[in-house]
Amino acid sequence: AQSVTQPDIHITVSEGASLELRCNYSYGATPYLFWYVQSPGQGLQLLLKYFSGDTLVQGIKGFEAEFKRSQSSFNLRKPSVHWSDAAEYFCAVDHLGGATNKLIFGTGTLLAVQP
Amino acid sequence: DVKVTQSSRYLVKRTGEKVFLECVQDMDHENMFWYRQDPGLGLRLIYFSYDVKMKEKGDIPEGYSVSREKKERFSLILESASTNQTSMYLCASSLAGGLNNEQFFGPGTRLTVL
Repeated sequence: AQSVTQPDIHITVSEGASLELRCNYSYGATPYLFWYVQSPGQGLQLLLKYFSGDTLVQGIKGFEAEFKRSQSSFNLRKPSVHWSDAAEYFCAVDHLGGATNKLIFGTGTLLAVQP
Repeated sequence: DVKVTQSSRYLVKRTGEKVFLECVQDMDHENMFWYRQDPGLGLRLIYFSYDVKMKEKGDIPEGYSVSREKKERFSLILESASTNQTSMYLCASSLAGGLNNEQFFGPGTRLTVL
């Protein structure tokens, strides 16, 4: 079955440390890939997206993600985490790329930032 | 500034009540979506609509129905609320097709069914 996996349920990093959140998908072709962030009590906000071309994608708030076809991965990274990055992060895939734009979401990774 | 609004941030209802959750977008988007979000399960698609009066079931439509009479408004209906429908409900919208398929989300409605 088609799926999106975020293996880390909860991650804690120190402020200023680097961050990598993992995302793996299981689809035959290259899907459209997204990372969303959800701050406490808020809806989801798009961080970045990948459709084609350069496999390293830059997003908002200093985040980037790299698409690796051989590993079916789309990991999110940030070189230096700020306390305001504490939130839940969702990887999502649109495997159809068609008019309906249906997304399949991972189960999320909750990021805590300690001083 | 683009916006998706949901009628309530918090809602408390009793078992058996009919519940309406409203979502409005001001971006002239064709597609609209209803998700529920539960800890450890991520977001699961309940229903989506790709045009006025058009709807399709998502992954977990049981116990829910939807209505889209106008392009900007998409309603989720719980015909007879049950305690297992206690959840966070998120509405989203997007343009149709191709590279424009970013979904924009509302702030969510946290529904508690007693």
